[in-house]
Order: sequence, then structure tokens, then C-alpha cells
Amino acid sequence: QLLLQESGPGLVKPSETLSLTCTVSGGSITSGSYYWGWIRQPPGKDPEWMGSIFYSGSTYESPSLKSRVTISVDTSKNQFSLKLSSVTAADTALYYCARHIPTSSWFDPWGQGTLVTVSS
Amino acid sequence: QSALTQPPSASGSPGQSVTISCTGTSSDVGRYDYVSWYQHHPGKAPKLIIYEVTQRPSGVPDRFSGSKSGNTASLTVSGLQAEDEADYFCSSYAGINPVIFGGGTKLTVL
Repeated sequence: QLLLQESGPGLVKPSETLSLTCTVSGGSITSGSYYWGWIRQPPGKDPEWMGSIFYSGSTYESPSLKSRVTISVDTSKNQFSLKLSSVTAADTALYYCARHIPTSSWFDPWGQGTLVTVSS
Repeated sequence: QSALTQPPSASGSPGQSVTISCTGTSSDVGRYDYVSWYQHHPGKAPKLIIYEVTQRPSGVPDRFSGSKSGNTASLTVSGLQAEDEADYFCSSYAGINPVIFGGGTKLTVL
């Protein structure tokens, strides 16, 4: 059974960089034609896809976040990571990682999510 | 304003059927057969229950079904059970911004 788990600081100061890692277990991040994505949901707002990465390192990001998002992959650790720069309170959200099938645009499975609060 | 519009709430009694709508535009839901639905029990990982409008992943009960007409996709839950009480949200491929989501619908089993 493929499982994904997000990890990282739960509190980030404004203007700093948010960093999260997703650890994949129960399967290899290099198998299949899957991408690995990040989705976030601010309190009371819609989920928002942030970007996705293929194990080769090929990425694509949401146009609205592209200038601040960096997604990377470490196949030796079966992990992929998210960095979001210059954060503000508006970046406070539940952050999820998920396996992404971009050809038909669905995500499965998802991690449980991790809450990141941006506050001084 | 949500990219995809869903009713904030829906409800039904055990054994009944409930349908949740997801309305987009001719640039997303109306243009592509790439609508998916997720079930989310708070505190747990969201779960894919429908993809490509009508397809059910292995292990998802056939009580869950999806459809689409024009710019509106729908999720129908038949034979409601207590464990179906959860948040349900939709997503769609949308071209340049590859994934957009709905705001979610809280389903209550009365």
C-alpha cells in the first residue's frame, strides 16, 4: 500500500522560506508514469494545486505560484520536497502531498496533510 | 470565489441517494472529461473516489457514481451510510492551470 507523509516545520516567519518534505513508502517514487504533487488548502478556502515533479526532476508549477515555488526530488530517499519563498500570512494552510496523474489530472493517494502557520 | 462551484452542504437519510454538483466553465469541466472527486474525513488523507468523470478506483463501492452534463459534473452517493458523512470536493483539468478544485461540500447523514 502506497503511503505518503508530509513533514516539516509547523511555524514559519513572514518573508522566510517554507520547506516541506514528502516521504513515500510502500512503493518507489521512480515507478510508473506518475508525477508527485503538492496541494494546499488555506483555512476556509479551496484546495490549490501548487506544482508537481517527475522522478527525473522535470517539474511544472501553478502559474500563480511559479515565481515562489521550488519542487525537488531525492530518489535515493524516496522523497520529494517543496520550498515556498517569501511567505506571508496568506500562505498559512494545510499542505498535502500526493501522487499525481497529470494526463487525466487526478491525485491518489494523498498524505494526511501538515498545517503550516506563517506568523512572527 | 471558487474555481469550481459546489454547494456548501448536502444531506440525506441512511439508504437515500444524494447528488452533489460541481460547476465549472466551458474551459474546464465542459471541455475535458477529467473531473475527479475526493472524499475527505477531517484529519485524514483525502481519498480519490471518482476520476475521469465516471471511473471508480479499485475498492471504492459502486454506491459512488459520477456523471457530467455541460459545465456541471455530479457525484451521486446511493444507499447512504453513516460512514459517508464527510467533505467531498471535485477537481478538473483546466488547461493552462492544470488543476482546479471546488470548495467542497459537507455531506451530512441524518
